[in-house]
Amino acid sequence: EDQVTQSPEALRLQEGESSSLNCSYTVSGLRGLFWYRQDPGKGPEFLFTLYSAGEEKEKERLKATLTKKESFLHITAPKPEDSATYLCAVQYSGGSNYKLTFGKGTLLTVNP
Amino acid sequence: DTGVSQDPRHKITKRGQNVTFRCDPISEHNRLYWYRQTLGQGPEFLTYFQNEAQLEKSRLLSDRFSAERPKGSFSTLEIQRTEQGDSAMYLCASRAPGAMNTEAFFGQGTRLTVV
Repeated sequence: EDQVTQSPEALRLQEGESSSLNCSYTVSGLRGLFWYRQDPGKGPEFLFTLYSAGEEKEKERLKATLTKKESFLHITAPKPEDSATYLCAVQYSGGSNYKLTFGKGTLLTVNP
Repeated sequence: DTGVSQDPRHKITKRGQNVTFRCDPISEHNRLYWYRQTLGQGPEFLTYFQNEAQLEKSRLLSDRFSAERPKGSFSTLEIQRTEQGDSAMYLCASRAPGAMNTEAFFGQGTRLTVV
């Protein structure tokens, strides 16, 4: 069973059409949930860290929220330059104390 | 400081050859990670260093793989007798000292193609 599941696998939006990406996790003892953006052929770029349920963080058109079992990445009025793969990762105390466990990502395409 | 640096960016090698990748972490980041990413998948953990000590290795890291961080600064990842299944993006990440769950910063990766 995957510990981190992202949905949808792919999302196509029109410019200005707001939406949300989901990251659900089954691990216990969450020590942090991380969102990254990845452009083709490049390494992941850090966006947010969330530590506890109820926490929210914002950056430009992006807002990340966290509950006890999932996180959402809300994208408000997206632009074509927001097109990328968005990765979610968790760090939890039940397994290694060091590593991040990633989901498979959501490929976002924003059409002009 | 320009972030985590990886070299080379791309490597094409013939099956059976050895390859070595280098990672230079952000200055003063004492924690360093290697991940592997294949197409359509998220990064998978390979190994973790704190300073020069290799504290954890994934079962994905077969005996053909070896990683070092001799002076607690840069790190190398070597793959011996490469196989086609080793073709992937190899990512390095570093974290600052302190809390174990701070953000990790990734390099641009090394794309390995085994032909």
